[in-house]
Amino acid sequence: AQSVTQLGSHVSVSEGALVLLRCNYSSSVPPYLFWYVQYPNQGLQLLLKYTTGATLVKGINGFEAEFKKSETSFHLTKPSAHMSDAAEYFCAVGGGFNSGNTPLVFGKGTRLSVIA
Amino acid sequence: GAVVSQHPSWVICKSGTSVKIECRSLDFQATTMFWYRQFPKQSLMLMATSNEGSKATYEQGVEKDKFLINHASLTLSTLTVTSAHPEDSSFYICSANKNTGELFFGEGSRLTVL
Repeated sequence: AQSVTQLGSHVSVSEGALVLLRCNYSSSVPPYLFWYVQYPNQGLQLLLKYTTGATLVKGINGFEAEFKKSETSFHLTKPSAHMSDAAEYFCAVGGGFNSGNTPLVFGKGTRLSVIA
Repeated sequence: GAVVSQHPSWVICKSGTSVKIECRSLDFQATTMFWYRQFPKQSLMLMATSNEGSKATYEQGVEKDKFLINHASLTLSTLTVTSAHPEDSSFYICSANKNTGELFFGEGSRLTVL
């Protein structure tokens, strides 16, 4: 079984400040990990993913995340927040290699607010 | 550009009517598609797994007779909400796997039942 816990349902940062969104996972198999962003009334857009290899993953819009197996974490960061980053962010875990027939399990989401 | 497309994006219907939502993979074939439901300010909850050429697999608590899923081709899955009621109002999102370990999501369909 797999699960995802996102700490903090709402995070507020000032424009230009560091963004840190926390995600911890549980998985009985080597996980694939994802971060998605959702703007109001829109679908999900993939920010980045970890499958295998390098544990520091860089994504779009300046976001990155680091897979830490020992901590079962996959926290999302961005050095400098922009107003356009305000959105809902979801961390998700998948079943790993050849998991095309298994769905992702999502965290409850973290709403990021950016203050001017 | 989008690789998974949903239609319609918005739909408003009267209580008791049925609504069909389409999910298409635009440039790849998807033997499996997933349907999620998202209530306001909540996460995505898996409703069912749509399998091409066979019956869908529903998650516990999801009424298969109410949420009819048809995956008639490798690029199209449909979700029909039958006899819709206000409590069915939600954001429905589909996803499909491109065999790269990554799921692509549709834009979502907002259903409002009056």
